[in-house]
Amino acid sequence: KAGVTQTPRYLIKTRGQQVTLSCSPISGHRSVSWYQQTPGQGLQFLFEYFSETQRNKGNFPGRFSGRQFSNSRSEMNVSTLELGDSALYLCASSLAEGGANEKLFFGSGTQLSVL
Amino acid sequence: GESVGLHLPTLSVQEGDNSIINCAYSNSASDYFIWYKQESGKGPQFIIDIRSNMDKRQGQRVTVLLNKTVKHLSLQIAATQPGDSAVYFCAENIRGSQGNLIFGKGTKLSVKP
Repeated sequence: KAGVTQTPRYLIKTRGQQVTLSCSPISGHRSVSWYQQTPGQGLQFLFEYFSETQRNKGNFPGRFSGRQFSNSRSEMNVSTLELGDSALYLCASSLAEGGANEKLFFGSGTQLSVL
Repeated sequence: GESVGLHLPTLSVQEGDNSIINCAYSNSASDYFIWYKQESGKGPQFIIDIRSNMDKRQGQRVTVLLNKTVKHLSLQIAATQPGDSAVYFCAENIRGSQGNLIFGKGTKLSVKP
């Protein structure tokens, strides 16, 4: 079974631009979560989607948004990029059936550099 | 601030020795805990998990211990190998917050041959 796939692997953008990152979860997984990883702050939760609905949201500004499609694939968007948005953005999927907490399976991430 | 923290940011061990990585958590509502391993250039890889109704769980060469009284979690790696070199994260999930894992800062494990 294929793992979580994230594209692109690397991105370079300039301040003020916007960016869209893509994530394909493991087949059969309906929950997709997004995390931001930086050396200073570690892994921080952005949001989680289940069946096309945002179910949980972290403490990030409204410039960070996401969505999930009917095939469970997800995208996240960051508008008006700032230098501090430079980070590794990780996507994770899980079955998350029945509301029980389950382990997340992570992709390799998208490394975003904002110049 | 972080509700999950690590006692040691770096750990260096000799190949073949046992490794113990510690983690503290502060939220008594957390009912699920996971350890992840992250190698350079890769995403976190699941190692082992434990629910709050358990004190100990064993996997292949790894054991997780949970002490709810002092809100402490540890990962024990037996016969540490060079391939175990990585950053290890503990993470907690608060009851009802699906998909939202709260991660610690991580401990870098270096294995000396």
